[in-house]
Amino acid sequence: GENVEQHPSTLSVQEGDSAVIKCTYSDSASNYFPWYKQELGKRPQLIIDIRSNVGEKKDQRIAVTLNKTAKHFSLHITETQPEDSAVYFCAAKRYSGGGADGLTFGKGTHLIIQP
Amino acid sequence: DSGVTQTPKHLITATGQRVTLRCSPRSGDLSVYWYQQSLDQGLQFLIQYYNGEERAKGNILERFSAQQFPDLHSELNLSSLELGDSALYFCASSVHGATNEKLFFGSGTQLSVL
Repeated sequence: GENVEQHPSTLSVQEGDSAVIKCTYSDSASNYFPWYKQELGKRPQLIIDIRSNVGEKKDQRIAVTLNKTAKHFSLHITETQPEDSAVYFCAAKRYSGGGADGLTFGKGTHLIIQP
Repeated sequence: DSGVTQTPKHLITATGQRVTLRCSPRSGDLSVYWYQQSLDQGLQFLIQYYNGEERAKGNILERFSAQQFPDLHSELNLSSLELGDSALYFCASSVHGATNEKLFFGSGTQLSVL
């Protein structure tokens, strides 16, 4: 099955600086890569996603890049703000014939924005 | 509010017991997913249902079972509970269960096995 590795487990950055979280996946058939944000005590929420036919996607201060050859994808947050503090999960999923497998999540990155 | 409802919010039980977690998906969503979240394992996919039928299975133990009913709500049954089953159990839903659909998560059921 799919295996997703996520680094770092904790990331502390100064407010206003950029943050980068990296993930690698094992299944070359995976073709969908979402990122979820989970604030303390709350549910995970989708913040951005990318499909395998796209190399980069941007939404305001958030961007995701995908390198299919190397099987890794990254989340980039620019101009970080206090409300960006949360745990971020990357995930991978493949569609195989009759159905879609569930998302395989990385173990999460705790992003801390220092004032 | 995601529109996905999970009950109960908290559950405390003893080893060896059996519990049932309930999930009501967003209105119009046909697919329901169950995930287990623990500190050491992160978010683990357990099982997915689509319109009443099992669609995909992940790391779900044999002691665990689930079903989706005609009204599309789902239940996750956990039996012969062990200390290690203590975790936050999330239900999520999506419209068709397709690969690139956004998942909407419920607020979770915190299970404590003592």
